[in-house]
Amino acid sequence: IAGITQAPTSQILAAGRRMTLRCTQDMRHNAMYWYRQDLGLGLRLIHYSNTAGTTGKGEVPDGYSVSRANTDDFPLTLASAVPSQTSVYFCASSDSSGGARETQYFGPGTRLLVL
Amino acid sequence: GENVEQHPSTLSVQEGDSAVIKCTYSDSASNYFPWYKQELGKRPQLIIDIRSNVGEKKDQRIAVTLNKTAKHFSLHITETQPEDSAVYFCAAIANAGGTSYGKLTFGQGTILTVHP
Repeated sequence: IAGITQAPTSQILAAGRRMTLRCTQDMRHNAMYWYRQDLGLGLRLIHYSNTAGTTGKGEVPDGYSVSRANTDDFPLTLASAVPSQTSVYFCASSDSSGGARETQYFGPGTRLLVL
Repeated sequence: GENVEQHPSTLSVQEGDSAVIKCTYSDSASNYFPWYKQELGKRPQLIIDIRSNVGEKKDQRIAVTLNKTAKHFSLHITETQPEDSAVYFCAAIANAGGTSYGKLTFGQGTILTVHP
């Protein structure tokens, strides 16, 4: 069991380019999340999905879009990357079926540099 | 929305000493408070959590306390070891189990260094 995986591990991207960060989990968790982590700012929620077919905006959604076509995958797209989107991106998931629904499990992260 | 403040931003202790990290939150409806440990270059990992119906929870050398009246919660690490060195994040969520479940708000993090 892999848990939750992300791809790519790291990426250097020219400003203005489109980029999709991939996230896949095999734990059959209903809920999935995307965070960005910047030095001194902790983790900030970009978008989330409570279940397949639904998505919602987090704290910093501008410039990002997500989709949730199935339970396992939750890709994050930067339509036109800007340097301020340079960050470490973490995907996370949680199980909504029981009392521990709030416990979130994180992927290994994607380090993105936008030049 | 929820606002979580975490202090101190850095903490340096000698091996064997105790370490305490404190967080305050703004939303009185918050009812779930996890703590995550993040080693350099790694993902955040849950180390302990507490719900609003409990005042204290302990797991070996780690404990968390919650004061709902004052809206603050703390992480206590006893008998610290060099491998405890990492960044620690607190978080809070309001209405866990309701329509806003899963939307954690994180503190800014504390860099803990344990000197041998």
